[in-house]
Amino acid sequence: NAGVTQTPKFQVLKTGQSMTLQCAQDMNHEYMSWYRQDPGMGLRLIHYSVGAGITDQGEVPNGYNVSRSTTEDFPLRLLSAAPSQTSVYFCASSDGGRSPYEQYFGPGTRLTVT
Amino acid sequence: AQKVTQAQTEISVVEKEDVTLDCVYETRDTTYYLFWYKQPPSGELVFLIRRNSFDEQNEISGRYSWNFQKSTSSFNFTITASQVVDSAVYFCALDTNAGKSTFGDGTTLTVKP
Repeated sequence: NAGVTQTPKFQVLKTGQSMTLQCAQDMNHEYMSWYRQDPGMGLRLIHYSVGAGITDQGEVPNGYNVSRSTTEDFPLRLLSAAPSQTSVYFCASSDGGRSPYEQYFGPGTRLTVT
Repeated sequence: AQKVTQAQTEISVVEKEDVTLDCVYETRDTTYYLFWYKQPPSGELVFLIRRNSFDEQNEISGRYSWNFQKSTSSFNFTITASQVVDSAVYFCALDTNAGKSTFGDGTTLTVKP
């Protein structure tokens, strides 16, 4: 299993540009989440999903959209990038059954908005 | 609302010293999970331990040990005989709903040779 994969690993955007951060998992996990990590801080939850077709907001959802059309994929969309969105983004998945609280994290995407 | 506090922003020790990283949490839920993660300079998150709210037994794994005390809402992490490879940022996290973790701000541990 590849686990949780994220693309791209690095991205530079200009203010106002849009882009989608990709996240995929091959473990058939029900739960998927997006976090951002700012310098000197822990991870903060942006959006999460408890299954295909179901998403909800986390602690810092403004400026981001998500959708979950399949179990495997959970893309994060930045509609109009702002410098405040410069951060490292982590995607995570977990099994809603046997071990619902054990999250598997992807390697992260480092985003810079200029 | 949930909150995790890691009061130690940075800790520096000399190799072979023991070091304890503190974690204090707040939640009104009676069922929850606590985690420790390691983030080495390469940036990935490495899962270290998960503990549920009904299991207050301390755990030891090699040089690592964890002390969970519900009475003080603490889940402290001790590294015995620290090594340079232990240098990293360590995060404590709290989960009351699957997939919705609340993280502390992390403790940066530097182990000097």
